[in-house]
Amino acid sequence: EIVLTQSPGTLSLSPGERATLSCRASQSVSSSYLAWYQQKPGQAPWLLIYGASSRATGIPDRFSGSGSGTDFTLTISRLEPEDFAVYYCQQYGSSPTTFGQGTKVEIK
Amino acid sequence: EVQLLESGGGLVQPGGSLRLSCVASGFTFSSYAMSWVRQAPGKGLEWVSIISAAGSNTDYADSVKGRFTISRDKSKNTLYLQMSSLRAEDTAVYYCAKDAGNWKRYFDYWGQGTLVIVSS
Repeated sequence: EIVLTQSPGTLSLSPGERATLSCRASQSVSSSYLAWYQQKPGQAPWLLIYGASSRATGIPDRFSGSGSGTDFTLTISRLEPEDFAVYYCQQYGSSPTTFGQGTKVEIK
Repeated sequence: EVQLLESGGGLVQPGGSLRLSCVASGFTFSSYAMSWVRQAPGKGLEWVSIISAAGSNTDYADSVKGRFTISRDKSKNTLYLQMSSLRAEDTAVYYCAKDAGNWKRYFDYWGQGTLVIVSS
């Protein structure tokens, strides 16, 4: 199965700053079938990005995804207070679908 | 508005069984594959099982294969997960997740989850 490694484990930033989250796959993710989710404490995950770079319905344009092959990035251009959360990447190009271990974006 | 409401979680002894349910509303249930995804306390997400829109195809994570069975009832708009031979490592919040299509295998809506604790 494809192992996804997210870095850094924790990102400490201030509101208004730019956040760059990395997701690296142990082998190439076919057709850029890579998604990103946001999860806040006590809540279910929420889809942000699919197909590596397509924003899900209702997701603000400060969230963007990029990458292909084995290296993918989620960028939050300017952090809003509600963006402090844990972010997971997921590959769905190979079975079984797998998730990264998460990156926590915390307030500095 | 899409809603997914899980139930059936609780405390169960090792080796025991439990059936989870997920009632769906706000979309055409029979048109979408559905999955179960779990999250152990303080840990990340782990996909558990998927069932196709018509219910004719299923798949399981190796960690649950042979012990868990996924099913769906179109007339009740309900997804199920029958869990047996439960182990301590099955302790987690179990989320019902709507597939973005039929077997796309990424998830555009999630329920709030139901907690399963396997302990003696």
